[in-house]
Amino acid sequence: RKEVEQDPGPFNVPEGATVAFNCTYSNSASQSFFWYRQDCRKEPKLLMSVYSSGNEDGRFTAQLNRASQYISLLIRDSKLSDSATYLCVVNGGAQKLVFGQGTRLTINP
Amino acid sequence: DTGVSQDPRHKITKRGQNVTFRCDPISEHNRLYWYRQTLGQGPEFLTYFQNEAQLEKSRLLSDRFSAERPKGSFSTLEIQRTEQGDSAMYLCASSVSSGSIYNEQFFGPGTRLTVL
Repeated sequence: RKEVEQDPGPFNVPEGATVAFNCTYSNSASQSFFWYRQDCRKEPKLLMSVYSSGNEDGRFTAQLNRASQYISLLIRDSKLSDSATYLCVVNGGAQKLVFGQGTRLTINP
Repeated sequence: DTGVSQDPRHKITKRGQNVTFRCDPISEHNRLYWYRQTLGQGPEFLTYFQNEAQLEKSRLLSDRFSAERPKGSFSTLEIQRTEQGDSAMYLCASSVSSGSIYNEQFFGPGTRLTVL
């Protein structure tokens, strides 16, 4: 079983739609959680950290459920520029990051 | 540009050849990481340095792979006797170290390796 699992998609949604991504992680000792965004042929960039209390950054909302070892990302009012691969990431200890496979999102006009 | 830089950006080599990649971290960052990303997958951790000390190596880092950071600044990743399975994007990242559980890692643009 992979340490971080997420639905690879692809997700194709119309502009303005709300889209949700989920991921699960297997290491219950993990302490830090993130969503990264990766554009085609570019490096990953931190989108947002994820906290147990949930956190919001504009149109993006992230949630963490430690009991279920589940992380989510919600994108509201999606824009064409949101098209990218979204990577669920867990701090795997000793500063290393453990990435999920990534979920590819395409926003259609 | 004060971000993480990597060189070369692309490398095509024949099977059995040796290759070396370079990473220059953000100047005040004392931690440096190497990851590998294959098509359709997320990056996988290979190794990391704090200053010049290599503190962790993944089991993915076979004996054909060696990484160095001799003066605690730039790092090199060498692959000896390349195999077709080594074809991937090799990403470098850097971060500061502090008392936090986690310090954001900033990624470079990567070196794309193709082994023919």
